[in-house]
Amino acid sequence: SQQGEEDPQALSIQEGENATMNCSYKTSINNLQWYRQNSGRGLVHLILIRSNEREKHSGRLRVTLDTSKKSSSLLITASRAADTASYFCATADNPGNTPLVFGKGTRLSVIA
Amino acid sequence: GAVVSQHPSRVICKSGTSVKIECRSLDFQATTMFWYRQFPKQSLMLMATSNEGSKATYEQGVEKDKFLINHASLTLSTLTVTSAHPEDSSFYICSAARGSTGYTFGSGTRLTVV
Repeated sequence: SQQGEEDPQALSIQEGENATMNCSYKTSINNLQWYRQNSGRGLVHLILIRSNEREKHSGRLRVTLDTSKKSSSLLITASRAADTASYFCATADNPGNTPLVFGKGTRLSVIA
Repeated sequence: GAVVSQHPSRVICKSGTSVKIECRSLDFQATTMFWYRQFPKQSLMLMATSNEGSKATYEQGVEKDKFLINHASLTLSTLTVTSAHPEDSSFYICSAARGSTGYTFGSGTRLTVV
């Protein structure tokens, strides 16, 4: 079963704008991960945030985690057409040992 | 870094035939492999968990006799879709559990049953 919901399900923005995607989860977590998937392709790991972290940056990516609300957000700044993809959050009961459970994902379209 | 090689990347088969998908860990031992299925515009859904040398554990609603999983060695796990039908057309992807290092995903297999 899926861990939770992501919103929006689809997002269309102009190049240069920021894109924010949200993810909610149901159970307690050790960490939460964000993945990217280009259409019909495999997954690319973007960033991992631990349960004791509130914010993490990686290049143009910024991830926040609010364990009290069981939610996370992924912000992509200064978006590019190449950022067009689906983005998923994922968690696991025992990271690295039990399977990742993915959110429903957000389909991002960045228009040049 | 660790790589899971998944083959084939694309396959088209006739209805009623079987298709085997392989996931091979190239530079590490994969004791546990997770198999996912993804329908168009949907998320990844866990199908089963395979452990080397033992029977796979299937998620509710996944037919174990239709989706045969073999994990006979620490570097190879296979998923065979038996008697495939058009509704089995999907994107299948494997993921190796790597303990504290996390997960390594295969590149996926696009199965089309005609």
